Amino acid sequence: EADIYQTPRYLVIGTGKKITLECSQTMGHDKMYWYQQDPGMELHLIHYSYGVNSTEKGDLSSESTVSRIRTEHFPLTLESARPSHTSQYLCASQGQGDQPQHFGDGTRLSIL
Amino acid sequence: GQQVMQIPQYQHVQEGEDFTTYCNSSTTLSNIQWYKQRPGGHPVFLIQLVKSGEVKKQKRLTFQFGEAKKNSSLHITATQTTDVGTYFCAGGPSVYSTLTFGKGTMLLVSP
Repeated sequence: EADIYQTPRYLVIGTGKKITLECSQTMGHDKMYWYQQDPGMELHLIHYSYGVNSTEKGDLSSESTVSRIRTEHFPLTLESARPSHTSQYLCASQGQGDQPQHFGDGTRLSIL
Repeated sequence: GQQVMQIPQYQHVQEGEDFTTYCNSSTTLSNIQWYKQRPGGHPVFLIQLVKSGEVKKQKRLTFQFGEAKKNSSLHITATQTTDVGTYFCAGGPSVYSTLTFGKGTMLLVSP
């Protein structure tokens, strides 16, 4: 099993709060991704990074931001959470070329 | 942009029946990957196909990549309750592109 970790596993928080979802991997992978997934639905790519200090927006517009200061760490931040942000957020990392993606357990976020 | 379509969206079978899900891309893919997501879990990589017309087997699972590298299928023989989950295909036009995931096929198996 791949070594990629997400915290928190679950988060219930009020509207307007600033939230940071953590994602870390110990495989030394350059490529990392954030996906948003509603229950039973498709995966939407919201951010990705191909290395330190490199971040790009994905296919789905998101009000979140990301940073990549260290290879192993790819946090996602919501400056002001809203109920529309309620979803599951999955982090993934990938090795060289077209190697498979390894997913974390996800963060289930609920904004009241 | 690239689109990856999967059918069916949902299938309910009796244990022991066969199951197939189909994946079609609007563009030629460099490779196709298949993932399985159990209810409440995260996607887990199953297999990758790279060559045109490639066929790979994993026990009761058979994966095919089309000759034009635009479509793929996953066939499960004699389903078991442990096969329950959503199966996603994913691919990109090159090894440098991000993966585009299909919407997935949710499989329910009744004992």
